[in-house]
Amino acid sequence: AQKITQTQPGMFVQEKEAVTLDCTYDTSDPSYGLFWYKQPSSGEMIFLIYQGSYDQQNATEGRYSLNFQKARKSANLVISASQLGDSAMYFCAMRESYDKIIFGKGTRLHILP
Amino acid sequence: DSGVTQTPKHLITATGQRVTLRCSPRSGDLSVYWYQQSLDQGLQFLIQYYNGEERAKGNILERFSAQQFPDLHSELNLSSLELGDSALYFCASSGPGGGTPDTQYFGPGTRLTVL
Repeated sequence: AQKITQTQPGMFVQEKEAVTLDCTYDTSDPSYGLFWYKQPSSGEMIFLIYQGSYDQQNATEGRYSLNFQKARKSANLVISASQLGDSAMYFCAMRESYDKIIFGKGTRLHILP
Repeated sequence: DSGVTQTPKHLITATGQRVTLRCSPRSGDLSVYWYQQSLDQGLQFLIQYYNGEERAKGNILERFSAQQFPDLHSELNLSSLELGDSALYFCASSGPGGGTPDTQYFGPGTRLTVL
């Protein structure tokens, strides 16, 4: 069974609109971490945001926020006021035991001018 | 710039050959991870080292091996290369090197092409 599910293989969004990228996860470990990474066409993996399983508040980093719904095992990434430079592949990931990270299959986001 | 460096950036080689990919973690980080990203398999965890010791193993083939040296840099050795080994290989590091705790910071990757 997939541990990280990203159901949107691709999304098209108008510039300046807000975007929500979906991510659900599956774990029985009470302590885990959730991450979002961005991979532009140049190939590098850029860390965006982190949410710990015990964090009470949703994580925010500039225009990025993580909508963490623990009971639903959901960790959606919200990008406010999207920009052309946000066009990229976005990966949701989860850390369970040790430091191994499991990645979802990704969502390709296209920002339209 | 994450602070993680990888060399070479590109590598083209033939089937049956052996290559070595190199990674230097962020200053202060003790953990190094290797990932393989291919079109059909997505991003796969290969192996993790912590302060010179192997800590976790993922989907790493027996033809592949890695090590972390006393100066904390790491090398991933790929031997008897096959066409299917063509992929983007990432190194990541984590630890007290600063930034968000528990986060892995990725290098720019090495693109391996096996002809």
